[in-house]
Amino acid sequence: DAGITQSPRHKVTETGTPVTLRCHQTENHRYMYWYRQDPGHGLRLIHYSYGVKDTDKGEVSDGYSVSRSKTEDFLLTLESATSSQTSVYFCAIRAAAGDTEAFFGQGTRLTVV
Amino acid sequence: DQQVKQNSPSLSVQEGRISILNCDYTNSMFDYFLWYKKYPAEGPTFLISISSIKDKNEDGRFTVFLNKSAKHLSLHIVPSQPGDSAVYFCAASRMDTGRRALTFGSGTRLQVQP
Repeated sequence: DAGITQSPRHKVTETGTPVTLRCHQTENHRYMYWYRQDPGHGLRLIHYSYGVKDTDKGEVSDGYSVSRSKTEDFLLTLESATSSQTSVYFCAIRAAAGDTEAFFGQGTRLTVV
Repeated sequence: DQQVKQNSPSLSVQEGRISILNCDYTNSMFDYFLWYKKYPAEGPTFLISISSIKDKNEDGRFTVFLNKSAKHLSLHIVPSQPGDSAVYFCAASRMDTGRRALTFGSGTRLQVQP
């Protein structure tokens, strides 16, 4: 298994509170991604990073921000959580530009009440 | 606008028979296609992939077929085993978007009956 750890694995939070999810990798891979999985939608890209301090938006980035200050850590922040952000969040990593496969973490189940 | 579509939410087959999972895409810029398998409470795991310059790729019991003119790919599992029961996601990527971020279909839940 690729060395990817997501924390926390489960979280319940209240509407309007900020939440940060962490993705930690031990593979020294350059590319990191945050996806959310919702019924009927598969996995949708939120944000991605192509290097330290280099990030960009995905298709469902509204309400989310990211930071990558070290190669191994990619943080996803919900500035003010809403019920529509209740989802399962997956982090993925990919080694290099020529690689096509991405490897996924175990996921974080977030519930916003 | 879903660029990758899996129109069958579920599929049930008998053990030992063939499972065929289908996927359609709309974006002709996609140049690589992948299948991921997902068990409950786990992350997706890579299964098999195919480049757009090929029409078939085989790995053991798993074969992926690509029909570029129809913008269609399929995953064949032969013979199917109960351990294959999972959700299968089709994914596509293009070199110029999101540093090869994957675009996923909505998934097909496969159940293999013993």
